[in-house]
Order: sequence, then C-alpha cells, then structure tokens
Amino acid sequence: AQSVAQPEDQVNVAEGNPLTVKCTYSVSGNPYLFWYVQYPNRGLQFLLKYITGDNLVKGSYGFEAEFNKSQTSFHLKKPSALVSDSALYFCAVRRDDQGGKLIFGQGTELSVKP
Amino acid sequence: DAGVIQSPRHEVTEMGQEVTLRCKPISGHNSLFWYRQTMMRGLELLIYFNNNVPIDDSGMPEDRFSAKMPNASFSTLKIQPSEPRDSAVYFCASSLSQSSYNEQFFGPGTRLTVL
Repeated sequence: AQSVAQPEDQVNVAEGNPLTVKCTYSVSGNPYLFWYVQYPNRGLQFLLKYITGDNLVKGSYGFEAEFNKSQTSFHLKKPSALVSDSALYFCAVRRDDQGGKLIFGQGTELSVKP
Repeated sequence: DAGVIQSPRHEVTEMGQEVTLRCKPISGHNSLFWYRQTMMRGLELLIYFNNNVPIDDSGMPEDRFSAKMPNASFSTLKIQPSEPRDSAVYFCASSLSQSSYNEQFFGPGTRLTVL
C-alpha cells in the first residue's frame, strides 16, 4: 500500500534562516511526488512536483525539494524563510500506474517568526 | 481562468437534512476530485471522475454520500441525510487528466457544519 509520512507536526524557523519540511514515502513502482501549501481558510496550492529526471526540483515562491530514492524521501526546502511562508504544507504521492489518486501526508505546520 | 469554483463556501445545517455541494472545475480539465478534510483524518479522497465518469469511489464513507458529474463543467456531492460527523471542509480539485504526473488544482472549499 502507498503511504506518505510527514514526521513533524510543526516546524518553527526564524525569518531568514533555511527551512526544511520532511517527507518520506512508501510506494511500489515509480513514485510521482508533490508538495502543496495551504494557507488559513484556503484550498491547497500546488508548489512543485517530481516526476523524473533531476532529483532537485524547483517550484513556486523559492521552494525546492530533493528526491532521494535510496532514503525514499522528498524533503521541501527553502534557503531563506519568510514570515509569509507560514502555512500548512502537505506532501503527496501517486503511483505511476494508479491514475489520479493522490495519497496525502498528514501535513506539517510551518511557523516562521520575525 | 477563475480557478476551481465551489459553492457554497459555508453551509450550516441540522442533522437529517440533505446537503448539496457544488463544483465547477477549470475549463479544459478532464479529471475532477472530491476530498474531505478534518483534523482527525486529514485529507481524504472521496471520489474522482475522469471525463465525467466515476473512476474510484472507494473513499465515499457510506451510502449517504453520492456524487455526480452530469457534464464537464459541473459536479455535485450530496449527503442525505447529513450527520454531525460529516462536519468537515470539502474540497473539489481538477486536473488536466488523470495521468499521474498532472498536478491538481484545488477550490477554496466548502466548510460544512452539521448540528
């Protein structure tokens, strides 16, 4: 069965510092990996995805994520956090032969303090 | 494009009443997804359609829930009768196709409260 784990419920970072939001996955076959962000009272917004190719993926708002097949991880990173990055972040995985069905992690609350 | 449109944004109803949630996907998108978000269970996929045909409804909690997609630009999720445990935020999302590499675009959600 497919699964996604986000081991941290909350991540606290000072503005200007680098941030990492962790994600590990379990799936047979080739994984397609996604990060979404949810601001309060809003729907999820797509940030970036890994399909194939370069393991380092760049996305919206200066975020990037690194696919690590041996560690089955897809951590989200940003070199310098902004207060406006504070939100709920979701990692999601889809198997290449399962069409549209996305499996989401439980979410990580990112708090960036000035 | 206006993005995925959902209505109503908020719904408060009493137990036993019928609730209908509506969704208009992004024009040109062929796949539509209904999700439910709660604190306890996180984000759950309820059902998804491809080219207006339901593909996977294994996430639909029980017979009280039903979803339809009569055409490419409209879908409904109905709960009848509603119960307090159905209180959640319901999201609709659409994507270009059900291909695994297409990202999904989410609507703003409908916050449902069943008293």
